[in-house]
Amino acid sequence: GAVVSQHPSRVICKSGTSVKIECRSLDFQATTMFWYRQFPKQSLMLMATSNEGSKATYEQGVEKDKFLINHASLTLSTLTVTSAHPEDSSFYICSAREGQGLGKLFFGSGTQLSVL
Amino acid sequence: GENVGLHLPTLSVQEGDNSIINCAYSNSASDYFIWYKQESGKGPQFIIDIRSNMDKRQGQRVTVLLNKTVKHLSLQIAATQPGDSAVYFCAENPRWRDDKIIFGKGTRLHILP
Repeated sequence: GAVVSQHPSRVICKSGTSVKIECRSLDFQATTMFWYRQFPKQSLMLMATSNEGSKATYEQGVEKDKFLINHASLTLSTLTVTSAHPEDSSFYICSAREGQGLGKLFFGSGTQLSVL
Repeated sequence: GENVGLHLPTLSVQEGDNSIINCAYSNSASDYFIWYKQESGKGPQFIIDIRSNMDKRQGQRVTVLLNKTVKHLSLQIAATQPGDSAVYFCAENPRWRDDKIIFGKGTRLHILP
């Protein structure tokens, strides 16, 4: 199946710093990628939809200035957590779909962010 | 919100027995459903999907059943193995959410030796 690579897998940073997470589709082109956030023992919450060549669309309650998303190419989307605080500590997961419309959604391996 | 964050229920099953994991969805307009498996510290892994025009779909050792009348989805795993230990999530695509996939509550499957 299609492969989605996400880096880094784990990051620890000081409060106030910014952290960038990369999501790459390795063997297919992804016009759209999705970013999710997951707290311990909870489900995945959709944060935003990353659209290649245009602005991301954010879910209600997600601060777009806090979570900057860039989708510069058909194989790369980045999520930058700006001025991170301890409450931003979470497991961030990206996903991508091969092709258009509905179909299998392939997920990255996730990034565990810990803000001290 | 659409994603309800609650502590995960646990299903304990004897190795070799069949597992049935249930999921109730709330969006009657959803037309596509998926089951994902998530191991600790990893991203979700696709297991099987089903569209709303079907009631049942079978894969290798897994079967998904869809009951649109009561808005219920189930995942059956035959001959459960230790490697099946994980958290299982049902997910849906509400028709008004374009191609977005919204996750439901998860269930932790624990395999007893």
